[in-house]
Amino acid sequence: AQTIHQWPVAEIKAVGSPLSLGCTIKGKSSPNLYWYWQATGGTLQQLFYSITVGQVESVVQLNLSASRPKDDQFILSTEKLLLSHSGFYLCAWSLEAEVFFGKGTRLTVV
Amino acid sequence: GDSVTQTEGPVTVSESESLIINCTYSATSIAYPNLFWYVRYPGEGLQLLLKVITAGQKGSSRGFEATYNKETTSFHLQKASVQESDSAVYYCALGPSNTNKVVFGTGTRLQVLP
Repeated sequence: AQTIHQWPVAEIKAVGSPLSLGCTIKGKSSPNLYWYWQATGGTLQQLFYSITVGQVESVVQLNLSASRPKDDQFILSTEKLLLSHSGFYLCAWSLEAEVFFGKGTRLTVV
Repeated sequence: GDSVTQTEGPVTVSESESLIINCTYSATSIAYPNLFWYVRYPGEGLQLLLKVITAGQKGSSRGFEATYNKETTSFHLQKASVQESDSAVYYCALGPSNTNKVVFGTGTRLQVLP
């Protein structure tokens, strides 16, 4: 069975500090991977998607970057956090248009 | 662009009452969108509740139903008799787009009172 693990579960970070969120998918080779973000009271927005290792496409610009260093790993990062980065981040993978999500990371920027 | 509009929450109903959460969509970049309802229970991750990939068909799961209506571009979620354990946030979604994107509604928080 496929599993998706996100880390950390929650983070409180200062404005201007760096951020790295991670996601690992097990049990599925060469998955399509996604990062989604939801601001408090907002809708889920797709930020990035990746079809293969080393290839990441940006969907929404939020001063964030993503990388896929391994087939089963997807990283979301920034060197300088903004207050507007606060929210809920979800990693996901897809199969035949159905999307499977991790449990998410709640980020609070103070 | 593609978009999904759903009932604004929170929605509060009493146990054993019926429920409908409205969802309408606009799919401009997807000729034949797949439609989904996702749910997030307290403390858990987002998970698929039901999906329908063919217009005119009905999907069902855990007592919930939704019919893919292409004429009215709607995919309303219904349940005849809700339970307290149905309290959660429900998201209507469509996909995939040409960027492999699934487009979500804003989510509807449902609270079922005992």
